[in-house]
Formats: sequence, C-alpha cells, structure tokens
Amino acid sequence: QKEVEQNSGPLSVPEGAIASLNCTYSDRVSQSFFWYRQYSGKSPELIMSIYSNGDKEDGRFTAQLNKASQYVSLLIRDSQPSDSATYLCAVNMAGGTSYGKLTFGQGTILTVHP
Amino acid sequence: GAVVSQHPSWVICKSGTSVKIECRSLDFQATTMFWYRQFPKQSLMLMATSNEGSKATYEQGVEKDKFLINHASLTLSTLTVTSAHPEDSSFYICSARAGTSGADTQYFGPGTRLTVL
Repeated sequence: QKEVEQNSGPLSVPEGAIASLNCTYSDRVSQSFFWYRQYSGKSPELIMSIYSNGDKEDGRFTAQLNKASQYVSLLIRDSQPSDSATYLCAVNMAGGTSYGKLTFGQGTILTVHP
Repeated sequence: GAVVSQHPSWVICKSGTSVKIECRSLDFQATTMFWYRQFPKQSLMLMATSNEGSKATYEQGVEKDKFLINHASLTLSTLTVTSAHPEDSSFYICSARAGTSGADTQYFGPGTRLTVL
C-alpha cells in the first residue's frame, strides 16, 4: 500500500464545474496535510494546508480532512481552464524517520475544458 | 513573502562533469531545506534533508558521495551532482521551511532542469 495515494486521473471537468480531488494516507498519526498545484515543467506551488478535521476554505478552494478515515480532499469551485494542472497531495508523516518530511502522492491530473 | 530561488534554472553538461545548484530563501530564514528530484510523469522524490550547519540526511538509495549537499547559512543550500551521468538528468527542486516542525509549510524553488549528455 502506498503511503499517500491519489487517483491519478486524468480528471476532466467543464469550465464552471466543481472539481473534486481525493487523497488517502496510511500513517494514522499524520498531523499536517498540504495541497500543491504543479503546472507542466514548473515546481509545485502551495494551495492550502489543513491540520484539523473539517473544512477549510480559501477562495474557490476548499480542503476537507477526515482523520478517522485517513482522507483529505480538495474541492475547486467554478473551475477555470487555468486550473488545469497536476494536483499533489502531501502529508507530513509523523512516524519514525519520516517525521518532518513530506510524502507526496503521485498527483492527479486535472483538465478543465471550456 | 516566502520566496525561494534556485540557480541555474536549467543546465546542460557533459557526462563526468560536476554541476552545482543553489537554493536560496529570499525573505525568510530557512532552518531546514529539502532537495527533491522529479522524473517525467512522476511525483517528487525526496533526496535529502539539510539543516543549517549540520550534515544532510539522505534518503535510502540516494548516494551521498554523488549528491553533495551543503547548507552553509540559513538562506543558502547547495546541491552538487558529482560525475554526472545521463541517468542523473532530471528536474531538481529544493524547498525551504522556516520552522522546525513538520507542520510548517515547505516553500518550493522554481526547480533546475539538468540534462547530462
């Protein structure tokens, strides 16, 4: 089982729709969760961080965390073509030698078509 | 705020030569810096973690004698790829973190694309 798992996609949504990106993680004691966006040929840029159960909203983006289910998601409302990118879920694995490091999922490719 | 720069943005070198990549935190002091490598269509793989003034900690399978990391100050870390070979061609990305907690955000540099001929 991968430590951080995402649906690789590609996920295709029409402009204006809600895009839903999902991520599960294996380390039950993980505390910090991050969503990064990566455009082709570029480095990742932080979209949101979330640490507590529930929802966290920032503009068109909402991150949802459920620690009991070891699940974190990212919703993008009113999707725009400029949102087309690879979305990386990253988890700060709390256990052992992984403490303080980010473990990335394989990324979900999102395409928003006009 | 939280800007991280890398230099060079791309480099082409001959097999057997060494290449140095710099990573700088421009507006904050980076207690910890991380070096990642990303091959096409793959996710980021952590190579090593470096704390200012101490030796880097390498991930399993990463050759510390081939990938030399120096974190001489709170704003600068360097990665030297020694005796580079074509299989070292990749996208190298650094990140910097201000705090010591894993909860603190890592900010990524723009990356360096290395091509070894």
